[in-house]
Amino acid sequence: AQSVAQPEDQVNVAEGNPLTVKCTYSVSGNPYLFWYVQYPNRGLQFLLKYITGDNLVKGSYGFEAEFNKSQTSFHLKKPSALVSDSALYFCAVRDINSGYSTLTFGKGTMLLVSP
Amino acid sequence: DAGVTQSPTHLIKTRGQQVTLRCSPISGHKSVSWYQQVLGQGPQFIFQYYEKEERGRGNFPDRFSARQFPNYSSELNVNALLLGDSALYLCASTLSGSSYNEQFFGPGTRLTVL
Repeated sequence: AQSVAQPEDQVNVAEGNPLTVKCTYSVSGNPYLFWYVQYPNRGLQFLLKYITGDNLVKGSYGFEAEFNKSQTSFHLKKPSALVSDSALYFCAVRDINSGYSTLTFGKGTMLLVSP
Repeated sequence: DAGVTQSPTHLIKTRGQQVTLRCSPISGHKSVSWYQQVLGQGPQFIFQYYEKEERGRGNFPDRFSARQFPNYSSELNVNALLLGDSALYLCASTLSGSSYNEQFFGPGTRLTVL
């Protein structure tokens, strides 16, 4: 079965500093990976995805993610954090079953950006 | 364009009752998936429907059921509610059944079971 792990429950960073939210994956076959963000009392918003191609994927709101096959990682990054980036971040992997595919999510990482 | 909409936003029920949650996908999207997000955890897959047919089901008991209508909207039903069913229920729509498409999520329905 496919799975993702987010080893940090919380990441703290000061505004203006770079941020990294970690994700590792375990899949059979090619990994199709996603990052979503969830603001309080809101649904999940899509940030970016890796299907194939360049290892550095650019997404919404200035976020990017680096796919590393040898380390089975897909870390989310941003060069300069904003207070408004504070939210819950989920890494997800496409989970293939017979006849359909869905998403398997990590447990989430809370990002707190201090002014 | 309107995104995925869900109703109601909040719901309070007591144990043993039944609940129906509703979802309208993005216009033109034909696939709807339901997820359960318990506090402190990531969303867990419940059902996926495509073109009104059930395509997949997660590891949930038979108390959970769903259907998709000709206009591609969907309902999730939960019978004999338990305290552990308290969660945020998320609906996601996808353009097609393709695994390459990202899923767009609605705001969710917060269900509290007392």
